[in-house]
Amino acid sequence: DAGITQSPRHKVTETGTPVTLRCHQTENHRYMYWYRQDPGHGLRLIHYSYGVKDTDKGEVSDGYSVSRSKTEDFLLTLESATSSQTSVYFCAISESFDLVPGEQYFGPGTRLTVT
Amino acid sequence: AQKVTQAQTEISVVEKEDVTLDCVYETRDTTYYLFWYKQPPSGELVFLIRRNSFDEQNEISGRYSWNFQKSTSSFNFTITASQVVDSAVYFCALLMNTGFQKLVFGTGTRLLVSP
Repeated sequence: DAGITQSPRHKVTETGTPVTLRCHQTENHRYMYWYRQDPGHGLRLIHYSYGVKDTDKGEVSDGYSVSRSKTEDFLLTLESATSSQTSVYFCAISESFDLVPGEQYFGPGTRLTVT
Repeated sequence: AQKVTQAQTEISVVEKEDVTLDCVYETRDTTYYLFWYKQPPSGELVFLIRRNSFDEQNEISGRYSWNFQKSTSSFNFTITASQVVDSAVYFCALLMNTGFQKLVFGTGTRLLVSP
């Protein structure tokens, strides 16, 4: 199994509070991703990173920010949580070889509830 | 625009039946990759297969097989002699070879295999 951990695994927070989710990898992969999973939507990309301090937006980035100061860590921050951000959040990692993208491996997920 | 459609929301079968999960994709890229992931009730996402757009050979892995047809933009997944442990949500995903490895997921098909 790919070495990916997420913390916390479960969190309940109140509307308006800041929340930070952490993704940690031990694979030294270049690419890291944050997705959210909601019923009827599958997984949707929030933000991704293609290197230390190199990040970009995905399709549902509003209300989220990310940071990657080390290869192994990718942080997702909800500056002011809203009920619409109640979801399961997955981190993923991948690498490319000779410009061929590899498969993405996913962490165990974080269930976030915003009340 | 890139899009993945999994029209079957939920499929119920009895153990030992064969079942096919459909996946139809849209892309204008000539180079792309298709994936299947499994999400069992425990919630993690498990990589099953990757196929690139230049390889239309069908693939078989044990009871699993995949049929890739560019002419119909489909990448269907068949489980032969289904088992209760196959019960899960299955996601099809598309990755464009655009450099930043962004996966686009379908909404998933929930497979229920009863004894």
